Amino acid sequence: SYELTQPPSVSVSPGQTARITCSGDALPKQYAYWYQQKPGQAPVLVIYKDSERPSGIPERFSGSSSGTTVTLTISGVQAEDEADYYCQSADSSGTPSFGGGTKLTVL
Amino acid sequence: QVQLVQSGAEVKKPGSSVKVSCKASGGTFSSYAISWVRQAPGQGLEWMGRIIPILGIANYAQKFQGRVTITADKSTSTAYMELSSLRSEDTAVYYCARDVAMVKLYYFDYWGQGTLVTVSS
Repeated sequence: SYELTQPPSVSVSPGQTARITCSGDALPKQYAYWYQQKPGQAPVLVIYKDSERPSGIPERFSGSSSGTTVTLTISGVQAEDEADYYCQSADSSGTPSFGGGTKLTVL
Repeated sequence: QVQLVQSGAEVKKPGSSVKVSCKASGGTFSSYAISWVRQAPGQGLEWMGRIIPILGIANYAQKFQGRVTITADKSTSTAYMELSSLRSEDTAVYYCARDVAMVKLYYFDYWGQGTLVTVSS
């Protein structure tokens, strides 16, 4: 497994755009995935293969990749988006790694 | 719709073992892997290992090698995770998750509700 680095916290006002980054040396070679986790709940996949959105995930969630950094963007943030967000990737052998998580606060 | 339903909360003594189950429904159990991920109180997610039911092959994170055993029963679409030699640091919520586990694609598209395991004397 390898290290993925996320900021511990991000704060935005409702209606603004939130950007959460995740850095890792292997990200140019491996896909990244993003999960949303609300208190007391299981994680939910919100982005897969860097930028694909599963069915049922609002369009305001998007993902992008550039070099060793991937970014989860939430446009028009709503109060219900307040949660912890985790990036995840895997090494070439398929061993997954998670970032440390980012707490998104909606002010 | 795929559902993963886990067994209930457990309280264990240090040094003992715990076995958590994860019953799948609504999908083809053998077509995917099942991974186990844990989350200590206030901490992040930690992958423990996975099993590919159709092959019966499991692989584990290095940290848990020798202490964790993941098995699957195809006849009941149920996966199990057993963790031995429990210590207080193993207190966590344990999640099972459907693991896509294909070449270049390793992610978790459905999750169980979580099972709290408390290790306390």
